[in-house]
Amino acid sequence: GQNIDQPTEMTATEGAIVQINCTYQTSGFNGLFWYQQHAGEAPTFLSYNVLDGLEEKGRFSSFLSRSKGYSYLLLKELQMKDSASYLCAVRAGGYNKLIFGAGTRLAVHP
Amino acid sequence: DTAVSQTPKYLVTQMGNDKSIKCEQNLGHDTMYWYKQDSKKFLKIMFSYNNKELIINETVPNRFSPKSPDKAHLNLHINSLELGDSAVYFCASSAGGQQETQYFGPGTRLLVL
Repeated sequence: GQNIDQPTEMTATEGAIVQINCTYQTSGFNGLFWYQQHAGEAPTFLSYNVLDGLEEKGRFSSFLSRSKGYSYLLLKELQMKDSASYLCAVRAGGYNKLIFGAGTRLAVHP
Repeated sequence: DTAVSQTPKYLVTQMGNDKSIKCEQNLGHDTMYWYKQDSKKFLKIMFSYNNKELIINETVPNRFSPKSPDKAHLNLHINSLELGDSAVYFCASSAGGQQETQYFGPGTRLLVL
């Protein structure tokens, strides 16, 4: 079966660092994506990992361990505008098929 | 200049009606997708077309029929709408290549009464 797990909700303080975890069990693996989705808006692409290790992009970094079926998204220097849902998605099977987790709703407080 | 656009943005209709949602992308991408996001925010793939050819067809009721007149357009027609069809429907597109990031449209909020 296909299973992607993320925490449902997280809270953090402005200026802090937060780590959002994602574990997956899928038949096949060909890359992991993180998307950000503000309420009432479309998901927007944040990061992509296909090899083990850390990918850094400004305030956002994403890590992948394929042997552990595990990824995390690290957000530094949190801003109020980072309050959103963060979706973990695994590309499994053919034809660029993405399987999404339910998303983690992050609330950033002053 | 919108990359992936959908119309309408909101759709309120009665059970049993037939409705269509349109999607267009101006990114020059070869592949387009339809997703459904339910009230629990799960985003699930429904269909995908590559150059007008259907390549992903998930377990979706056959009341849902996608149509791709050309590679820049992917429409979704829904017959005999049911209450459970109420959701947000997102269109997305991607280019080829190893990463093949999918870019999403703004969504169509469908409410079936």
